Amino acid sequence: SYELTQPPSVAVSPGQTAIITCSGDNLGDKFASWYQQGPGQSPVVVMYLNDDRPSGIPERFSGSNSGNTATLTISGTQAMDEADYYCQAWDSGTVFFGGGTKLTVL
Amino acid sequence: EVQVVESGGGLVQPGTSLRLSCEASGYIFEDYAMHWVRQAPGKGLEWVSGISWNGGRIDYADSVKGRSTISRDNAKNSLFLQMNSLRAEDTALYYCVKGTDLTGTDGHFDYWGQGTLVTVSS
Repeated sequence: SYELTQPPSVAVSPGQTAIITCSGDNLGDKFASWYQQGPGQSPVVVMYLNDDRPSGIPERFSGSNSGNTATLTISGTQAMDEADYYCQAWDSGTVFFGGGTKLTVL
Repeated sequence: EVQVVESGGGLVQPGTSLRLSCEASGYIFEDYAMHWVRQAPGKGLEWVSGISWNGGRIDYADSVKGRSTISRDNAKNSLFLQMNSLRAEDTALYYCVKGTDLTGTDGHFDYWGQGTLVTVSS
């Protein structure tokens, strides 16, 4: 089965750039999506098709995907961005999620 | 406004069955695949099952294959998950999720419900 690996945690100061990675075999050949989950809340998609941002998601969120790694970048991170982030991709008709990354805004 | 609302969770004993339901509104239900995604307490997201727009294609995660059946009723804008032979490891918040494609083999998940909690314990 396919595996997506994320760092368990990332910490950043307000205003700085947060980079969250997601690694998987030839992930760059697939489309990656990213979901944000605040405490006690349902996940919300913040990036899809690698680098498309849904309406309502701030421009400070951006994405990329190449080789074996997809990346979610949050520029000018704000306190409200503190949450768990999950990457997601399809492989052979099955959905896979990364283990999640807890973003802490110090 | 798109909404998906789950129901049917509860406390059940190991080995028993449960049927989860989801009612969708605010969009043309039959135009999109639907999925169930679960999250064990304090853990990450795990995709459980997906169904195409007309039920013609169905997929399951290995962890529930053979014990679960997903179905939909487009006339009632409803999605279901029948879970049998429940185990302690099935304890989780189960989300009903709208896909963005027809077949349930691609795309992303653009609307999530609030989830319904299933607890399997004796």
